[in-house]
Amino acid sequence: SQQGEEDPQALSIQEGENATMNCSYKTSINNLQWYRQNSGRGLVHLILIRSNEREKHSGRLRVTLDTSKKSSSLLITASRAADTASYFCARDSGGSYIPTFGRGTSLIVHP
Amino acid sequence: NAGVMQNPRHLVRRRGQEARLRCSPMKGHSHVYWYRQLPEEGLKFMVYLQKENIIDESGMPKERFSAEFPKEGPSILRIQQVVRGDSAAYFCASSPGSAGGLHNEQFFGPGTRLTVL
Repeated sequence: SQQGEEDPQALSIQEGENATMNCSYKTSINNLQWYRQNSGRGLVHLILIRSNEREKHSGRLRVTLDTSKKSSSLLITASRAADTASYFCARDSGGSYIPTFGRGTSLIVHP
Repeated sequence: NAGVMQNPRHLVRRRGQEARLRCSPMKGHSHVYWYRQLPEEGLKFMVYLQKENIIDESGMPKERFSAEFPKEGPSILRIQQVVRGDSAAYFCASSPGSAGGLHNEQFFGPGTRLTVL
């Protein structure tokens, strides 16, 4: 499979804790993106990280990229109940700019 | 500035009927993408269109499915003779596109949930 694959598949934490989700892929990438999807809703773009970048921050979100290991991680610090959602990584590679999505990590943050 | 709009939000069809899903991209966006999502799955790419052109339909089934993005009006994903396996959420995304081929962030609509009885 050439999909980005997230793990864990499900993550359950308490409010205030940090949540870390990982994404692995098999072929070299141009960009990797993280999206959030609330139940029954569309996807919301969180962060795009380019292949020549190693880390990006956006508010409580931190994304890292390790191209040697073909993996990325999304860290949500000081989680809130409103962070409960599914998180997907998507990467595009080669000449294609159509992102390929993984199955996602389902995050539940308990108040 | 309205986001990507999709309608209907929910669509129920009986086997053998036709389903038409509409997507209006964000203002100024000329690239439209359609994805399908099954329960507990990620999004699967179906087709990528620019105005009046299908750029990549590698993810779309060869039979019963078609897509268009006319010069005027929304993009349409059409499923003929629907079967139960077509039941899924169908998402549309748009991007402004780039002549240089650089990746652009895609903005997603809320999706259309198709149920085939």
